[in-house]
Amino acid sequence: EVQLLESGGGLVQPGGSLRVSCEASGFSVFSSAMNWVRQAPGKGLEWVSNIRGTGDNTYYADSVRGRFTISRDRSKNTLYLQMNNLRAEDTAVYYCASTAVADTNHEYFQHWGQGTLVTVSS
Amino acid sequence: DIQMTQSPSSLSASVGDRVTITCRASQTIYNYLNWYQHKPGKAPKLLIYVASSLQSGVPSRFSGSGSGAEFSLTISSLQPEDSATYYCQQTYSAPPITFGRGTRLEIK
Repeated sequence: EVQLLESGGGLVQPGGSLRVSCEASGFSVFSSAMNWVRQAPGKGLEWVSNIRGTGDNTYYADSVRGRFTISRDRSKNTLYLQMNNLRAEDTAVYYCASTAVADTNHEYFQHWGQGTLVTVSS
Repeated sequence: DIQMTQSPSSLSASVGDRVTITCRASQTIYNYLNWYQHKPGKAPKLLIYVASSLQSGVPSRFSGSGSGAEFSLTISSLQPEDSATYYCQQTYSAPPITFGRGTRLEIK
């Protein structure tokens, strides 16, 4: 059974840093593209970043580019999101999700974690 | 970036009702459209992928249709456990992958 378990959320001051993790079981985080998606309080889902390919190509939403870094560790089978220079508007539940690819090359997010809450406040 | 517009933003319906949620893309996305169900405190759940393919294990009362820039999610006979927020998502032109703002469905 595929499971994704996020951790590392918490309270951090504006300008601070935090790293959230997503430990996978039942599959390898290197077997598919992996994503971070967030949901701010009272808001909808927002794609944040993904990592894909054998070369670990990384992509970011404009709102986090230059401040957030996505990575993955084969030995720990874990996806990470390093968040620097955090702002109040980064407050959200952060979810990891794995990408599946249909026969037609269409992509969709097949498995999701339960999320970890990041609060940026002084 | 491709904008995804969902309507309505919220609705209330009774058990047994037929409910349709629509999603419009700002440009054609062919059928690169997925639907998710999200309940508070839970992981989002994939319902429909490639506009109309039902994810394994999802009840058959859920269906998706559309192509180009206009899509819909239909629940044929609403059940109490369908109370949730529903999101469409495009993966045609990425990054960024974009979601609609969501439709909150309440059971009367």
